Amino acid sequence: DSGVTQTPKHLITATGQRVTLRCSPRSGDLSVYWYQQSLDQGLQFLIQYYNGEERAKGNILERFSAQQFPDLHSELNLSSLELGDSALYFCASSKSDRIFPFSGNTIYFGEGSWLTVV
Amino acid sequence: GESVGLHLPTLSVQEGDNSIINCAYSNSASDYFIWYKQESGKGPQFIIDIRSNMDKRQGQRVTVLLNKTVKHLSLQIAATQPGDSAVYFCAENMGYGGSQGNLIFGKGTKLSVKP
Repeated sequence: DSGVTQTPKHLITATGQRVTLRCSPRSGDLSVYWYQQSLDQGLQFLIQYYNGEERAKGNILERFSAQQFPDLHSELNLSSLELGDSALYFCASSKSDRIFPFSGNTIYFGEGSWLTVV
Repeated sequence: GESVGLHLPTLSVQEGDNSIINCAYSNSASDYFIWYKQESGKGPQFIIDIRSNMDKRQGQRVTVLLNKTVKHLSLQIAATQPGDSAVYFCAENMGYGGSQGNLIFGKGTKLSVKP
């Protein structure tokens, strides 16, 4: 158990709908990352938040947005869903906004939220 | 485009044998690399990491080798066990300690261990 908690574990929704995925980072971690894992694209970095502020952006669609709250949990909002958005969405966390090798400050992943768009 | 890739998408080994999983990266600016293990239905699990100023690092039953000349990374698993069966990903980070913490992942190699 990495200590990163994600809900829901599974979600099925229809095209055009909107869903929210939730993540609680490990205790003491200030950074939260969102990744999308699909069969054709592999693990793709979406976005990173650090202590409530956006820190880095990857391949995140405009239909997707995220935020990190004062209690450090994060939500990923996916709207106007399309069939191609079906994927496994991972949240990860780390202590700092940057990785420091061998210091324990690396990135730990949650178990993921399976999203199926039908 | 993707800057981290894998030579072998699948690898099948006999229990007790050593496994070697390879990874090629294309971004010479990457200076920190991590290997993750992902079991079915679970999230990526940190295995071992290495910095660009190193060529080898050992953990428990695992060794990571880095060859910056040819931009190649490998993960060696000694005495492979059935519990090692999973998909293994290499990931790179550019500028450890000095830039963002996001990782770029390769597509993964599936390791199957035959009893």
